[in-house]
Amino acid sequence: QSVLTQPPSVSGAPGQRVTISCTGSSSNIGADYGVHWYQQLPGGVPKLLIYDNTNRPSGVPDRFSGSKSGTSASLAITGLQAEDEADYYCQSFDFRLSGLWVFGGGTKLTVL
Amino acid sequence: DVQLLESGGGLVQPGGSLRLSCAASGFTFSSYAINWVRQAPGKGLEWVSGISASGGNTYYIDSVKGRFTISRDNSKNTLYLQMNSLRAEDTALYYCAKAPMSRGPRYWYFDLWGRGTLVTVSS
Repeated sequence: QSVLTQPPSVSGAPGQRVTISCTGSSSNIGADYGVHWYQQLPGGVPKLLIYDNTNRPSGVPDRFSGSKSGTSASLAITGLQAEDEADYYCQSFDFRLSGLWVFGGGTKLTVL
Repeated sequence: DVQLLESGGGLVQPGGSLRLSCAASGFTFSSYAINWVRQAPGKGLEWVSGISASGGNTYYIDSVKGRFTISRDNSKNTLYLQMNSLRAEDTALYYCAKAPMSRGPRYWYFDLWGRGTLVTVSS
């Protein structure tokens, strides 16, 4: 069981908007530590998508956006494209647990 | 090119040892904290260990404390993970991942990843 909870799967049709939630607690997201998001394409390496809740590294399309409120965060993808089909992970820091840098369990995005 | 390249994975029996390496190129290795993150087959990501830029501070997930040792040689631009007393549950693809510069550990995220090296622990 992951410290950060994500839905196992989400889906959407091309052009649609989807969101992926990441729920934590007062010892991680709620403690004002940043939430970061990664995209892992099938057979690929994790790639940083969003850092510090809302920031996109250079080269990441503005179709990807992040938000955070309280003990939860969300990744939104607009104008869904076939190449967005991947696994998405949230990550933060937890000051109470044995694994300091914690990941969500991952969400599989299927583009219908 | 800015990159990280892992090596050293393989098949090892339970109780055995392996030493993973991560060679960095294209950036000033000694300025960045580096971490190991693993992914068991078909599973999600799990942070394993991290080391500060100077090597003076190291961090481990509880399940590997006392068995794994992270170290770095900044003169060789290389990160290591010495893995002893390996267990079946250590079977995973091990990635090295760089943290951004000038960040306190609590604010680390991972902005550059290697392709990983596979560790299989089985008799």
